[in-house]
Amino acid sequence: AQKVTQAQTEISVVEKEDVTLDCVYETRDTTYYLFWYKQPPSGELVFLIRRNSFDEQNEISGRYSWNFQKSTSSFNFTITASQVVDSAVYFCALSEADGGATNKLIFGTGTLLAVQP
Amino acid sequence: DGGITQSPKYLFRKEGQNVTLSCEQNLNHDAMYWYRQDPGQGLRLIYYSQIVNDFQKGDIAEGYSVSREKKESFPLTVTSAQKNPTAFYLCASSIWRGLNTGELFFGEGSRLTVL
Repeated sequence: AQKVTQAQTEISVVEKEDVTLDCVYETRDTTYYLFWYKQPPSGELVFLIRRNSFDEQNEISGRYSWNFQKSTSSFNFTITASQVVDSAVYFCALSEADGGATNKLIFGTGTLLAVQP
Repeated sequence: DGGITQSPKYLFRKEGQNVTLSCEQNLNHDAMYWYRQDPGQGLRLIYYSQIVNDFQKGDIAEGYSVSREKKESFPLTVTSAQKNPTAFYLCASSIWRGLNTGELFFGEGSRLTVL
């Protein structure tokens, strides 16, 4: 069965701390996509990254970095030197195992990150 | 600016009433989606549409209906048959790339409360 698990329900850190959000997935597909979205208090989900299953290179974008490891079925997200503006709910998502017939995504339950000043 | 507009942002409904949530996009995207978000449960797919005049049920379609008469519009009706309609509803759209799964673009959501 396809599933995305975000075991951390809530994380609280103090500004400038580094924080890692965990994501573990299950899929029967050999080709799949993984995503991270940010949901600030305004409500809309903001796309952060998409990763193809064949590309295991880690990615860095400013203070954000992602570690994709197929061996452990994990796609973790690290924020370096966190800021108050990083406070949000973060969702990890996996593409549906339908060979790409749709763009349906399976979402994890989200991790609420609170960055204290 | 290009984007997805959902309305209303907040909506209150009495039990037994149908209510329609609006979703409009000007991104020229082919595919549109409706998700429901409940605390601690993430996002669950209600309906999706890949082309005009066609739509498919998602994981929790019971008690909901949709239409896709225009490319830019995908309204969701929450009917009185929906047992627990109080939730946050998110509309999304994406480019249709066939075998490549593209990212979803989301609206700001509509919060429905049943009194």
